[in-house]
Amino acid sequence: NAGVMQNPRHLVRRRGQEARLRCSPVKGHSHVYWYRQLPEEGLKFMVYLQKENIIDESGMPKERFSAEFPKEGPSILRIQQVVRGDSAAYFCASSPGFPDTQYFGPGTRLTVL
Amino acid sequence: QKEVEQNSGPLSVPEGAIASLNCTYSDRVSQSFFWYRQYSGKSPELIMSIYSNGDKEDGRFTAQLNKASQYVSLLIRDSQPSDSATYLCAVNEGGTSYGKLTFGQGTILTVHP
Repeated sequence: NAGVMQNPRHLVRRRGQEARLRCSPVKGHSHVYWYRQLPEEGLKFMVYLQKENIIDESGMPKERFSAEFPKEGPSILRIQQVVRGDSAAYFCASSPGFPDTQYFGPGTRLTVL
Repeated sequence: QKEVEQNSGPLSVPEGAIASLNCTYSDRVSQSFFWYRQYSGKSPELIMSIYSNGDKEDGRFTAQLNKASQYVSLLIRDSQPSDSATYLCAVNEGGTSYGKLTFGQGTILTVHP
């Protein structure tokens, strides 16, 4: 049984570039969540998606960040024009439904130079 | 702002002792409660979930929930050095925020031989 898969595991970008983070949920899970963990800080919710729908994006910064979970393929977290403050670990989690337990992927460590 | 607070650490216990981790939450409508373990540089790993008042045991781990006091705890019996990690308390708020986990800041546990 494959768990949540994220790629890339490490991503280095220069300021102003775009970062695309991908997440494939556990097979059969239709709910995807993205969290961010800044250095020395706790995990913060960003967005909750179901297939083709954004359910809750209350934790997403208003600018430069977007997320999608298309009918086919992985969920994508996109960060445009990255800044140094975007450097963090980004974790994706999935669940089969609500209020099921969320299982986390290995994360993508984003470093902005 | 809805908050989840964990007892300040770090917590250090000798091998074989009981480690007690505590968590309080501010939102009375919270429905689901989780304990995750996170090793340094890794992703959160689910240890326990609890939904109703009382105790829930799984091996060396016991979660306790008291909704009236808005309190959830985790006991680790016969602590092992491999239990040394950061323990995260997470609360699913329910209502319009039903997909969102709010995490505490974490308690660092060290089990010394």
